[in-house]
Amino acid sequence: GAGVSQSPRYKVAKRGQDVALRCDPISGHVSLFWYQQALGQGPEFLTYFQNEAQLDKSGLPSDRFFAERPEGSVSTLKIQRTQQEDSAVYLCASSSRQGWYEKLFFGSGTQLSVL
Amino acid sequence: QQQVKQSPQSLIVQKGGISIINCAYENTAFDYFPWYQQFPGKGPALLIAIRPDVSEKKEGRFTISFNKSAKQFSLHIMDSQPGDSATYFCAASRRGGSEKLVFGKGTKLTVNP
Repeated sequence: GAGVSQSPRYKVAKRGQDVALRCDPISGHVSLFWYQQALGQGPEFLTYFQNEAQLDKSGLPSDRFFAERPEGSVSTLKIQRTQQEDSAVYLCASSSRQGWYEKLFFGSGTQLSVL
Repeated sequence: QQQVKQSPQSLIVQKGGISIINCAYENTAFDYFPWYQQFPGKGPALLIAIRPDVSEKKEGRFTISFNKSAKQFSLHIMDSQPGDSATYFCAASRRGGSEKLVFGKGTKLTVNP
């Protein structure tokens, strides 16, 4: 079956531009997470949705970052007025319960380069 | 504040050898400790996971050892193969992974043929 799909795969933005990154989770998955992965680092949590409700946005680095999941399926991460430090891979994951734990399935990410 | 510390940063092993990666955590509320494998250009994929009431879990060539009192856990890859060459991340979470994962910084493993 299809996994988590993210688009675009690569995005180049000029400093100050707004960008929108899309995530299509696995069908039926209630939970959806966004992570940011800088080059050579581990993923860092950004935000979490359960259905359409954003339950945790504590990892969003500034008010320039905004995420939504209006119908509880597709999610969009928007970054306004991009800065060079926003350059990273943005990973989306959806999850399903596997007995005693919640298993996350990651997409391949969107690599954002801000020039 | 880094809640999960991972070592070594990189590791080179000969084919057939044992690869060992270590992690230490700080938050005793964590109850889910997964290991992820990531190939270049791909997202992390769950390899194996353990909970703190178990001291060891084995799946094929991959074993997690867990020491609750020391707040440490490790990944052992037996009979390492060139196809195992990837970056490995340990992580920790509360509520069985229902909450956000806190990742280590990763270990780049190279298995030479």
